[in-house]
Amino acid sequence: EVQLVESGGGLVQPGGSLRLSCAASGFTFSSYEMNWVRQAPGKGLEWVSYISSSGSTIYYADSVKGRFTISRDNAKNSLYLQMNSLRAEDTAVYYCARAGSTEFDLWGRGTLVTVSS
Amino acid sequence: EIVLTQSPDFQSVTPKEKVTITCRASQSIGSSLHWYQQKPDQSPKLLIKYASQSISGVPSRFSGSGSGTDFTLTINSLEAEDAAAYYCHQSSSLPWTFGQGTKVEIK
Repeated sequence: EVQLVESGGGLVQPGGSLRLSCAASGFTFSSYEMNWVRQAPGKGLEWVSYISSSGSTIYYADSVKGRFTISRDNAKNSLYLQMNSLRAEDTAVYYCARAGSTEFDLWGRGTLVTVSS
Repeated sequence: EIVLTQSPDFQSVTPKEKVTITCRASQSIGSSLHWYQQKPDQSPKLLIKYASQSISGVPSRFSGSGSGTDFTLTINSLEAEDAAAYYCHQSSSLPWTFGQGTKVEIK
């Protein structure tokens, strides 16, 4: 089955760190560009970060630049998001999303990150 | 940053009615506009790509049109299962952005 499964979310204090993972299966992961998209509770969608298929090109939203790091391991069919210096406004469900071309054609179920003391 | 503005924010519709959702971009984005459906407690699902291209497995009652700055998602003959939030998304320039969403409720 073609799917993406996120993990690693949880409750973390402000200023803390968390590493999210996204496991891909059912397709050739190394051929696809990948993204992280988040959704704050009751709010809309916000693009967070992009990584090319090889990992050589990376982009970030200004809201997370310098604090978050996207990476991938094509041998393990996995995508990661290292989140440091977390703030209350980072509280959201984090989705990994595959880029078909530039549209997001496959989404995971998401993992909830809560930043609170 | 390109701002996408959807209208309306909310729509209550009876089954079999036609639904039209618009998405306006703050600058021209060509056809780099995509539509997603998000049902309650689910992840988003791609409905239409590049303004008007259909997606395999998506019912034919969903269609898209537009280019430049003005885009439309049309749902012909709404069904109860179409109750959801709908988002537009531009991939013309970074940062990629989404509209604020349109919630469609079934009367």
